Amino acid sequence: DAKTTQPTSMDCAEGRAANLPCNHSTISGNEYVYWYRQIHSQGPQYIIHGLKNNETNEMASLIITEDRKSSTLILPHATLRDTAVYYCIVKWRSGTASKLTFGTGTRLQVTL
Amino acid sequence: GAVVSQHPSWVICKSGTSVKIECRSLDFQATTMFWYRQFPKQSLMLMATSNEGSKATYEQGVEKDKFLINHASLTLSTLTVTSAHPEDSSFYICSARETGQGIEQYFGPGTRLTVT
Repeated sequence: DAKTTQPTSMDCAEGRAANLPCNHSTISGNEYVYWYRQIHSQGPQYIIHGLKNNETNEMASLIITEDRKSSTLILPHATLRDTAVYYCIVKWRSGTASKLTFGTGTRLQVTL
Repeated sequence: GAVVSQHPSWVICKSGTSVKIECRSLDFQATTMFWYRQFPKQSLMLMATSNEGSKATYEQGVEKDKFLINHASLTLSTLTVTSAHPEDSSFYICSARETGQGIEQYFGPGTRLTVT
């Protein structure tokens, strides 16, 4: 699975959009980009995933560059409850032995 | 939908005893479940992949005789920490993948183990 690089931490004011970048320059054609987040002392929560096209759901939007070497997770209106560690993971979608390899993630602090 | 529970949510045990942690998929069947461990201020580390009806696959460096995994049904996997020691104190998290529904994993809330 391709490795990812994320900033260690970011701050965002409540109500503003939080844009979390992720670099995955070695991504291969069949690998998807997944985003999870982990609120303190809880299990990770799935947010969104994508392959080539931009994706949007009720939680967030995922913007993937045309060369697929980087992506950005956007939380359109961050709230205090969005304070968490956000993990960007790149992996194959097919196959029975699917494993998620968590990096260090980005610690997002949403402030008043 | 796609809810995963863990029991207990926290446990304190004495050194040398064994502790069993349960992971259940509440509203779906899960052929595959995963067990992770997370030390304070660190990321999740995959310990093993549990497949219903077969032996678990352990990651390199994880002692299979110390961390016993049983996945006897499509909704339940258990992790038993045998002869626990203080260094086994950690946050243990399971995840489950719904049978035949892609590879998205749904995570449990975690179990905090403290060995005294």
